[in-house]
Amino acid sequence: NAGVTQTPKFRILKIGQSMTLQCTQDMNHNYMYWYRQDPGMGLKLIYYSVGAGITDKGEVPNGYNVSRSTTEDFPLRLELAAPSQTSVYFCASSYSGTGDEQYFGPGTRLTVT
Amino acid sequence: GENVEQHPSTLSVQEGDSAVIKCTYSDSASNYFPWYKQELGKRPQLIIDIRSNVGEKKDQRIAVTLNKTAKHFSLHITETQPEDSAVYFCAASYNDYKLSFGAGTTVTVRA
Repeated sequence: NAGVTQTPKFRILKIGQSMTLQCTQDMNHNYMYWYRQDPGMGLKLIYYSVGAGITDKGEVPNGYNVSRSTTEDFPLRLELAAPSQTSVYFCASSYSGTGDEQYFGPGTRLTVT
Repeated sequence: GENVEQHPSTLSVQEGDSAVIKCTYSDSASNYFPWYKQELGKRPQLIIDIRSNVGEKKDQRIAVTLNKTAKHFSLHITETQPEDSAVYFCAASYNDYKLSFGAGTTVTVRA
């Protein structure tokens, strides 16, 4: 099992550009999550999904969109990049809800200039 | 949502000593409290967790305690080793499966 994989590892965007952060898990997990981690801060939940076709907003969803067409994939879309979106983005997955370990991907470091 | 506060933000200990990190949470309905360790440039990894029906849990040199009345929980690391140097995050679940994280504690173990 590769676990949770993310691409790209690093990316530099100009203000106003768009991009998609890819996340794939091969553990047949139902729940998937996107977090952002800013320096000196904990992780903030952006969006989450409890299964294919079902997504919902977390704490900081503004400026992002997600989709979940398959169990394995949960891409995060940035439409109009802003400097405030400079962060490290982590995707995570768990088999079910409360009490199940969330497994994290390696992260994507995004800089918007 | 849930608000989790974590203290201290940095902690330096001598190798072999103990380290204690404390977290408080605001939502009395929270019922799952995991701790994650994140080494520099790496992904967070679960090291121990506790559920609200348990007061204490131990795994080798790591232990977690939970006080539901006071709404706080703590991580205890005994006999610290250089490989324990990392950032540690506490978290609390809210609305079933969403986690709210503390800001993290950078632990440095001095040889």
